Amino acid sequence: ILNVEQSPQSLHVQEGDSTNFTCSFPSSNFYALHWYRWETAKSPEALFVMTLNGDEKKKGRISATLNTKEGYSYLYIKGSQPEDSATYLCASGSNDYKLSFGAGTTVTVRA
Amino acid sequence: NAGVTQTPKFQVLKTGQSMTLQCAQDMNHNSMYWYRQDPGMGLRLIYYSASEGTTDKGEVPNGYNVSRLNKREFSLRLESAAPSQTSVYFCASSVGTRGQPQHFGDGTRLSIL
Repeated sequence: ILNVEQSPQSLHVQEGDSTNFTCSFPSSNFYALHWYRWETAKSPEALFVMTLNGDEKKKGRISATLNTKEGYSYLYIKGSQPEDSATYLCASGSNDYKLSFGAGTTVTVRA
Repeated sequence: NAGVTQTPKFQVLKTGQSMTLQCAQDMNHNSMYWYRQDPGMGLRLIYYSASEGTTDKGEVPNGYNVSRLNKREFSLRLESAAPSQTSVYFCASSVGTRGQPQHFGDGTRLSIL
C-alpha cells in the first residue's frame, strides 16, 4: 500500500488564471504515475500516464511533470476555464500491478 | 461504444444480505479492477484481475469475493453485507496492468442499512 498524497485538497481559481497542484508518492519501487480527471456525476477519465523521471505530458491546456527521484508530480492548468472544474486524481503504481490513489485535488474555476 | 458498464447503478441492502455487482467491458482489455470510493479517501483497490483466469487481492479485500467470468466480465460479490461496506463501487479495465491507463465505469452507489 503506497501513501500517495495530493495538495491542496481544493482550490478556487479565477477564469483565465493558471494554477498547479502536487502529487507526492514513495519513490521506491516506482513504476508509473497516473493522472485522472473526475467531473461530478461522471467517472474518472485518464489524462496522463508517466513512467520516466523528467517526463512531461501535455493535453490541451493541461500538462504534467514527473520527478521520480524525489517522488512528486505537478499538474498544471493554463488559462483555466469553467469546464476545467473537476477533481484531479493521481495514482502511483509500483512494481506489482496495483495503483494507489490520492484523495484528489478539487478545482473550482470561477467565471 | 459502451466502454465499461456497471449494474446496478444504485442498490439498498439490509445488513446480512448478499449481492453481486456486475461489470462488463467491450474494449478487449486484459485487466479489470474493483475499487471503492469513500468520502475524503482515494479510490481503494478491492480486487483485480490481471488477465482472464486470474484474480488477486487489493488493499481492502475483506468481505468481498470476485469472479472473472470471461475476458469481458468481472463481478464483485458481497456475501454478507455490513454497514461499513456502504460506498460507491467503481469497476475499471485496462489493456494491461503496468503503465496502462484505466477506464472506469459510472459506479454503483451501495447503501447498507
